[in-house]
Amino acid sequence: DIQMTQSPSSVSASVGDRVTITCRASQGIRTWLAWYQQKPGKAPQLLISAASTLQSGVPSRFSGSGSGTDFTLTINSLQPEDFATYYCQQASSFPLAFGGGTKVEIK
Amino acid sequence: QVQLVQSGAEVKKPGSSMRVSCKASGGTLTKYTISWVRQAPGQGLEWMGGIIPILGSTNYAQNFQGRVTITADESTGTAYMELSSLKSEDTATYYCASASGGLYYSDSWGQGTLVTVSS
Repeated sequence: DIQMTQSPSSVSASVGDRVTITCRASQGIRTWLAWYQQKPGKAPQLLISAASTLQSGVPSRFSGSGSGTDFTLTINSLQPEDFATYYCQQASSFPLAFGGGTKVEIK
Repeated sequence: QVQLVQSGAEVKKPGSSMRVSCKASGGTLTKYTISWVRQAPGQGLEWMGGIIPILGSTNYAQNFQGRVTITADESTGTAYMELSSLKSEDTATYYCASASGGLYYSDSWGQGTLVTVSS
């Protein structure tokens, strides 16, 4: 089974900062990777599929990159509504797996 | 995107079983892969298993093998997740999520169902 490791587990940042979150797969998954955003008390929301494809309605300050085993989610010019927890998920094959999550907190 | 509506919160006794339902608007699951994901209080997302109704195939995470059963009733457009031998550690919010196009990117999620396991 494929395991996903995210880092950092939390990051403190200010509005306007750039934040980078990394995700590593235990084996190559090409670009079969998703990123989700979750706010407290809400269901996760798909932000990015196929490692770099933004979902409709997702602001362009979000971007994803990577392939194989190493992936990155970047949030440029952090906005107040971006303070949330972010998860990566391998979408290569069953069983699916999530990373442990990265909480983006207000500095 | 399909909309998913889950059954309501439950309180269960240790050792019992739980079943959560997930109904798709429009009444069809055929085009989707349905995953079940749980989130313990203050914890991350944990994929439990999934079903591809059109293929009739299921897959379960190793952590839940033997305790979880995921089914789908295409006549009603409803997916079900049953978890047996409940323990207090199973207290969590359980989500269903759907992915379309034969892929595994879940672009629609249910509202979540809180299940509390307590004696």
